This record gives sequence, structure tokens and C-alpha cells, in this order.
Amino acid sequence: DTEVTQTPKHLVMGMTNKKSLKCEQHMGHRAMYWYKQKAKKPPELMFVYSYEKLSINESVPSRFSPECPNSSLLNLHLHALQPEDSALYLCASSQDFGAGELFFGEGSRLTVL
Amino acid sequence: AQRVTQPEKLLSVFKGAPVELKCNYSYSGSPELFWYVQYSRQRLQLLLRHISRESIKGFTADLNKGETSFHLKKPFAQEEDSAMYYCALRTNAGKSTFGDGTTLTVKP
Repeated sequence: DTEVTQTPKHLVMGMTNKKSLKCEQHMGHRAMYWYKQKAKKPPELMFVYSYEKLSINESVPSRFSPECPNSSLLNLHLHALQPEDSALYLCASSQDFGAGELFFGEGSRLTVL
Repeated sequence: AQRVTQPEKLLSVFKGAPVELKCNYSYSGSPELFWYVQYSRQRLQLLLRHISRESIKGFTADLNKGETSFHLKKPFAQEEDSAMYYCALRTNAGKSTFGDGTTLTVKP
């Protein structure tokens, strides 16, 4: 299995809702990432996990809460989001933190009403 | 801080013509450079990386440290090359920064 799988593909939520995005990889990669991508813009790094520990938080608001339950799974918990948080959220993995190419999922398209 | 610049937002060439997508970077350390591609309705994927020095789908890219550039080239463009191309730099600290991307259209 050489893919990164993200669920759900689409999510619509209100500003008071709590939801989660999920990401899974079975390539034995030790680093996992969350990126945010707005329309016609490049991906922007949000969080990096290395060996299941949070290594980088790019000053992301606390309404986004990442979690890495094990080496194959990465979650992004969402709470009290704003309409400007609507975007494509991409998960990626790499063999190691700072080494190897990034393998991307197809993304979860989030709309906040 | 690191920065990646792709000066062309849009690039259009005819099939069979040479194509060059420009990428310049700024980083005080020793960077690792990549080109990622996103075809229509597909996920973002690696096209090539500078340390492998290989040709993928006819594309090559050479890291020029003097000019801080990593331009992507192909001598004869094909229609299936139409896609969004991102140049990316990864630092020693593991952070990857993407350029704004170039949309390449290859016309028949």
C-alpha cells in the first residue's frame, strides 16, 4: 500500500460544530504532516509529527488540534472554526522527518458555514 | 527564512516545443529541492528531486547553487504534461516550503 488515505473527502460544518479529519498511511513512514491549501495557492504547512510526537506547529490557531494516535494515523480535530478556515486540508507522510519525498493524500475539502 | 519563487503563474506552449518552468529559492543553509506536479483531479505527487539527478517523464532539473535556481526543463512538451507544477524546498529542520505554482498548458 503506497497511498495516503484521507477521510472524509468533503465536510461541511457550522461554526459551533466539532468534527475531525482522518489520515492513514501504511508505508511505515515516521513523519506525518497537515497542510492547508486555499484555492489557487500552494500548500501551507500546519503541523508535523515525527515518531508520533508533534515536532512543528506553525502557529496554528488552537481551534485546530492535531493528534497522532499511532505511527499510521493522523487526525485533525476541528472546533469553533471560522468561514475563512474553509480550504482543502492535505495530509502527507515521508519516510523520516526531514528526509525523503512527501506522499500526499487527496485532501479533505472543508466548508465552514 | 526560506523562500521559493516561481515567477510564471501561467505558461502555455505548443506540443513538441521546449518548456522551462522557472524556480528560484533563498535559503542560507543547504536545501533539498523538489518538483511536485498535480494533474487534473489527481493528488499532488513528486515529479523529481535534485539529489536523484534523474529524468522523469522527460523532465530534468539541475540545482544551480550560484544562481539559487532549480528550473524544470523538457525538450519536447506533450499534451499530457498539462498540469500545475510546484517547486518546493526542504530545510535541514525538515520544513517544506512551496512556490506559488505554475500552471502549464500544452496546446495541440
